[in-house]
Amino acid sequence: GAVVSQHPSWVICKSGTSVKIECRSLDFQATTMFWYRQFPKQSLMLMATSNEGSKATYEQGVEKDKFLINHASLTLSTLTVTSAHPEDSSFYICSGTSGTDTQYFGPGTRLTVL
Amino acid sequence: QQQVKQSPQSLIVQKGGISIINCAYENTAFDYFPWYQQFPGKGPALLIAIRPDVSEKKEGRFTISFNKSAKQFSLHIMDSQPGDSATYFCAASTGNNDMRFGAGTRLTVKP
Repeated sequence: GAVVSQHPSWVICKSGTSVKIECRSLDFQATTMFWYRQFPKQSLMLMATSNEGSKATYEQGVEKDKFLINHASLTLSTLTVTSAHPEDSSFYICSGTSGTDTQYFGPGTRLTVL
Repeated sequence: QQQVKQSPQSLIVQKGGISIINCAYENTAFDYFPWYQQFPGKGPALLIAIRPDVSEKKEGRFTISFNKSAKQFSLHIMDSQPGDSATYFCAASTGNNDMRFGAGTRLTVKP
């Protein structure tokens, strides 16, 4: 299967700071990338969908000014959590697709905001 | 609104037994139904997927059964092993990749 990487795998930051998470498709061109959020023992909740070179489409209830998504190339998307607060602590997972239905997921990034 | 309903929430099976997880959906526009396996602290990994034009798909010990009229699909894990212990998610999507996940089933296979 196709491989997606995320960096960092975990990050701890202070409240009020910004954190950037990178998502890379290593062996395929991801025309569409997705960002999910997962709380402990819960399902994946879609935050936003981004197509290369276009603005991301955010799900209802997701603050676009707080969760900045950039999909500048076919292999890289970034999620920046701005002015992070403890309630933003979560497991963030990206996925990519090359135009088929199948989404390939990254290993996730655990964010802890102190 | 949960578009894909998954049950049971947790499941305990003896080694060698059959694990069965069920999902139901409402949106008839869904046309792709994957199952994902997730280990703690890891991202989901695609296990097997099916489209509504077939009623069953088998890959190794994993089988998806699909009932289009009932809008239900299920995952069967034959000869369950302790290494299969993980959380399993069903999902459904339309052609525009709008994928919705079930709530997940935590499977424990006892040796």
